[in-house]
Amino acid sequence: QVQLVQSGAEVKKPGASVKVSCKASGYTFTSYYIHWVRQAPGQGLEWMGIINPSGGSTSYAQKFQGRVTMTRDTSTSTVYMALSSLRSEDTAVYYCAGSSTAGGGFDPWGQGTLVTVSS
Amino acid sequence: QSVLTQPPSASGTPGQRVSISCSGSSSNIGSNYVYWYQQLPGTAPKLLIYRTNQRPSGVPDQFSGSKSGTSASLAISGLRSEDEADYYCAAWDDSLSAWVFGGGTKLTVL
Repeated sequence: QVQLVQSGAEVKKPGASVKVSCKASGYTFTSYYIHWVRQAPGQGLEWMGIINPSGGSTSYAQKFQGRVTMTRDTSTSTVYMALSSLRSEDTAVYYCAGSSTAGGGFDPWGQGTLVTVSS
Repeated sequence: QSVLTQPPSASGTPGQRVSISCSGSSSNIGSNYVYWYQQLPGTAPKLLIYRTNQRPSGVPDQFSGSKSGTSASLAISGLRSEDEADYYCAAWDDSLSAWVFGGGTKLTVL
């Protein structure tokens, strides 16, 4: 079945960077766009950006421009999301989610990766 | 402050029908499809409604979506205890060139 499996929880200090992975299985890697969405504790969902695994083109939400980088490795069917200059407000669960078209619904979702930023 | 506006909470008794609203603007709901996600406690969100009123396979027909102008609604009929969850609306925003979400509605089954 179509599945996205994310890397484990991370604890980082303010100012550091984090890189979260999202490994796809059960489908042709290049046939689903991958979005990244985050959810701060007790808060709602926030879209961060999208990557097209076929070619690697990206589009980021303005809020994260300059701090986020999304990449992919077609040899391992894995997408990565790197976030730099971390601050306490970046503490959140980060989800990857697939969509069959750039404008389609997000389905499936990864299980989420908790990133904690604390000194 | 979310771009799409949802009531923070909603409630109903088993068997009842409840509706959750989602208010936006001409740059998002007014000109694009609306999507709804269900998030059970401690789990990742799940796609519930796509393209405003379509259900993915496996989603029961007790869930339905609609839109009028710059507002959308999710209706849940035959309420069950397992429907207790957070519900989020989402749409593409042409002005922001970004996907935007509502703040979420916590549904309680009394």
